[in-house]
Formats: sequence, C-alpha cells, structure tokens
Amino acid sequence: KQEVTQIPAALSVPEGENLVLNCSFTDSAIYNLQWFRQDPGKGLTSLLLIQSSQREQTSGRLNASLDKSSGRSTLYIAASQPGDSATYLCAVGSNAGNMLTFGGGTRLMVKP
Amino acid sequence: NAGVMQNPRHLVRRRGQEARLRCSPMKGHSHVYWYRQLPEEGLKFMVYLQKENIIDESGMPKERFSAEFPKEGPSILRIQQVVRGDSAAYFCASHGQPAYNEQFFGPGTRLTVL
Repeated sequence: KQEVTQIPAALSVPEGENLVLNCSFTDSAIYNLQWFRQDPGKGLTSLLLIQSSQREQTSGRLNASLDKSSGRSTLYIAASQPGDSATYLCAVGSNAGNMLTFGGGTRLMVKP
Repeated sequence: NAGVMQNPRHLVRRRGQEARLRCSPMKGHSHVYWYRQLPEEGLKFMVYLQKENIIDESGMPKERFSAEFPKEGPSILRIQQVVRGDSAAYFCASHGQPAYNEQFFGPGTRLTVL
C-alpha cells in the first residue's frame, strides 16, 4: 500500500526566500506525481505533473524533481511571495487507474 | 474550456437524510475520480469511474455510499442516511486520455451533517 509523507508539515518564511518542500513515497512503482496547491476552504490547483520517466518539471518560479528509486520528490519555490501562502500537496499516481495517494501537505506561510 | 464543476458547493443535511453530490468533468474528459477530505485529514481516494462503468471503488465505504457516471449528465456521489462522520469536503477530479493522466480538481462540495 502506497504511503506518502510530506515534510515539513508547516513552514513560515520571510518574503523572498527560496524554499524546498519534501515528499516521500514508499512504493517506487509510480505512474506519475503531481504537486497541488490548496487555499483554505478551496479546491486544488494543479501546479506540476511529473511522469514516472521524467526527473523534473518547471513552471515559472516552481521546480519539481522526482527520484523514483529513492522514493522522493521536492518542490522548489524561488523568491517566495506572500501570495504563495497556501497548503502544498504531493500526490502519487501508482497504477494504470491512477487514483492519487496524497501526502498530508505542507502549510506554507510567507510573511511580507 | 470550463473546468471541473461541482454542485452544490455547500450542502447541509440532518442525520438520516440523503446527500447527492454532482460533478461535471472538464469537456472531453471521460475519467472521473471522487476524493474525500475529512476535517484535519488528508485527501483520500474513494472511487474511479468512466462513462457508465465503475472502475475502482476500493476507497468507498461499503454501505450507504454509491457513485455513478451515466452516459449523459454529471457523475453523482450519493450518500444515504448520512451521519455526522460524513461531514467533509468531497472533491471530484477528471482527466482525459490515460496516457497523460493529469488530474484536474473541482472546487469541492462541503457537506455538513447536523
């Protein structure tokens, strides 16, 4: 059974800092990995999708890496802004049906 | 291209009533997933459907819960005889061709059982 863990659970940083969010998973036979953002009381916004054959994806100030063999992914946020404050969720698609297994999330606060 | 639509956004039910949650996937998407987010907990997979078929319902409680995705119309998640423990946010996601599989989520339905 796939288990996904995110560290840290919460993070508070001053504006402008570069930061790294970590995600680990127990079963390396994954189909893909997605990073989402969730604002309080809202739905999920897809940030980046990494297929199992890829090692990283970039979108603007975001960069996500994937190391399947070690069961890890990181989300790098450059030059953080207060608008980046949200909960970031890592989710792993583990088989052809691709239902996602979610981590518990990292709650990020970027202070002006 | 409208995103994934869910309604209602908020639903209040008394114990023992029925709750019906609707999800319209993105245009052209024929794969629908339902997830549940209990208070202070992570999202958990419930059921995966394609048009007129339930592909995987391994995450759905065996009693009181059912889901469908008819040939025409939205996907429906139905909860019979709701209990307080059913209070949660229910999210629907869809994707297109399996080869790509990026899931797009709706805004969720927040169910409160009194």
